[in-house]
Amino acid sequence: KAGVTQTPRYLIKTRGQQVTLSCSPISGHRSVSWYQQTPGQGLQFLFEYFSETQRNKGNFPGRFSGRQFSNSRSEMNVSTLELGDSALYLCASSAEQGSRHEQYFGPGTRLTVT
Amino acid sequence: AQRVTQPEKLLSVFKGAPVELKCNYSYSGSPELFWYVQYSRQRLQLLLRHISRESIKGFTADLNKGETSFHLKKPFAQEEDSAMYYCALSYGGYQKVTFGTGTKLQVIP
Repeated sequence: KAGVTQTPRYLIKTRGQQVTLSCSPISGHRSVSWYQQTPGQGLQFLFEYFSETQRNKGNFPGRFSGRQFSNSRSEMNVSTLELGDSALYLCASSAEQGSRHEQYFGPGTRLTVT
Repeated sequence: AQRVTQPEKLLSVFKGAPVELKCNYSYSGSPELFWYVQYSRQRLQLLLRHISRESIKGFTADLNKGETSFHLKKPFAQEEDSAMYYCALSYGGYQKVTFGTGTKLQVIP
C-alpha cells in the first residue's frame, strides 16, 4: 500500500496570506490527524477527522481549520498567517477510530511564513 | 490536562551499552502509551505501544502507573538505533495524541 502523502512538501507564504495543505491517507484509512511540529513546542495535535467529521481538536486558534472528504482525503487551512505558523505540518492516518490504533505519518509539509 | 515529559533532549551512549530513554506522563485516567521513532530522513513511525507488551528491535517499555512512567529500554545499543524518540499518550478512545518533546539518541561507535 502507498503511504500517507502530503502536498505540497514545501511552501513559502507571506504574513496575512492563507494556505491550504493536503493529505491523502493510506487506502482504507478513515481517520486523519494533523500535527504541528516546531523546534520549540515539538509535536502538537491540531485536529482529527473520522468519516468527514471532526472528532477532536487541539488548542489552536480558529485560524486553523480542516476538513475531510468522502474519500478520506483531508485538507488543512490556515488563514491570516503569522510568522509563528512556520512549522512542519504532519498528517497521520489510522485505520480505525480510537486511541489504540497505530498512526501512520506522512512526510510533512514545511511551511515558512515571511 | 495530560502531559508527557521527556527530560533528556540528547542521550549519548556507546555501542553495546544499555539504553534507557525516560518518559513520564500526567493523566488521571488510564492512558494509552506509545513510543514513536524518527530515523534520519525518514518518517515518524510507531516503535511500540504498551498494550502490546512486545519487544521491537530489542526495545521494551513497561508502563508503571505508580510512577506514571513509560521508559524505553534496550540492553545493548546499536548504531542503527540513533534516532529521535518520542513518547506519546492518548486516552478516552480518541486519537488525540499528546507527544513529548523527544529525545535524540546518539549511539557512539
